[in-house]
Amino acid sequence: EDKVVQSPLSLVVHEGDTVTLNCSYEVTNFRSLLWYKQEKKAPTFLFMLTSSGIEKKSGRLSSILDKKELSSILNITATQTGDSAIYLCAAIPMYSGGGADGLTFGKGTHLIIQP
Amino acid sequence: EPEVTQTPSHQVTQMGQEVILRCVPISNHLYFYWYRQILGQKVEFLVSFYNNEISEKSEIFDDQFSVERPDGSNFTLKIRSTKLEDSAMYFCARRGRGASQETQYFGPGTRLLVL
Repeated sequence: EDKVVQSPLSLVVHEGDTVTLNCSYEVTNFRSLLWYKQEKKAPTFLFMLTSSGIEKKSGRLSSILDKKELSSILNITATQTGDSAIYLCAAIPMYSGGGADGLTFGKGTHLIIQP
Repeated sequence: EPEVTQTPSHQVTQMGQEVILRCVPISNHLYFYWYRQILGQKVEFLVSFYNNEISEKSEIFDDQFSVERPDGSNFTLKIRSTKLEDSAMYFCARRGRGASQETQYFGPGTRLLVL
C-alpha cells in the first residue's frame, strides 16, 4: 500500500523563524511529489517536484526532492503569521495514461506562526 | 490557473438520503478527480474520471458512490443512502495543462454533514 508520512505533525514557531517540514514516501511507480497549503478549505498548490536535487523556489518558500532517500523538504524562511496553515505533501504515481493518477496524501503538518 | 467551482458549499442531510455534489469546470477539461477529507484526517482519493469514464477508483469508492458528467459539462458525485461516516469535505480537482499537466488543482469543496 502506498504511503506518505509527514513530520512533524504540528509545529509552533515565532514570526521570523525558519521552518523545515518533512515528507517521506513509499509509493510504487513514483512519479512526482506535490506540496499544497491548506488554510480554511481547499489545498492550494505550492510546488511540484519530479527531479531529485533541483530546488524549487517561490518567495520565502523552497522545496527539494531526494529520490535516493524517498523524501522531500519544504522550507519557509522569515515566517509570517499568514504562513499559518496545514502543509500537505502528496505523491503522484507514474502516469499511465487515462487519468489513473490519484494522489496519495500525507496527514499534513499543522504550522502555527505566533506573532 | 483557475480551479473548478463546486456546489453546494455546504449540505446537511439525513442518514439514508441520497446527495449529489457538483463540480463545474471553468473551461474545458478532460481529467477530473474526487477526494474527501474527514475532519482532522488526511485527504483521500476517491475516483478519477477521464473523457467521461471512470479511469481509477479507490477502495473507498464502493457501490454507494457513482460519478457522471450528465450534461457534458458539470461533473457530479452521487452518494446513495448516506451514512454518518460520509460526513466530510468533498473536493473536486482537475488536472493542469501543458507544463502543469501533472498538477492537480482543487476546488473549494463541499462540506457534507450527515445527521
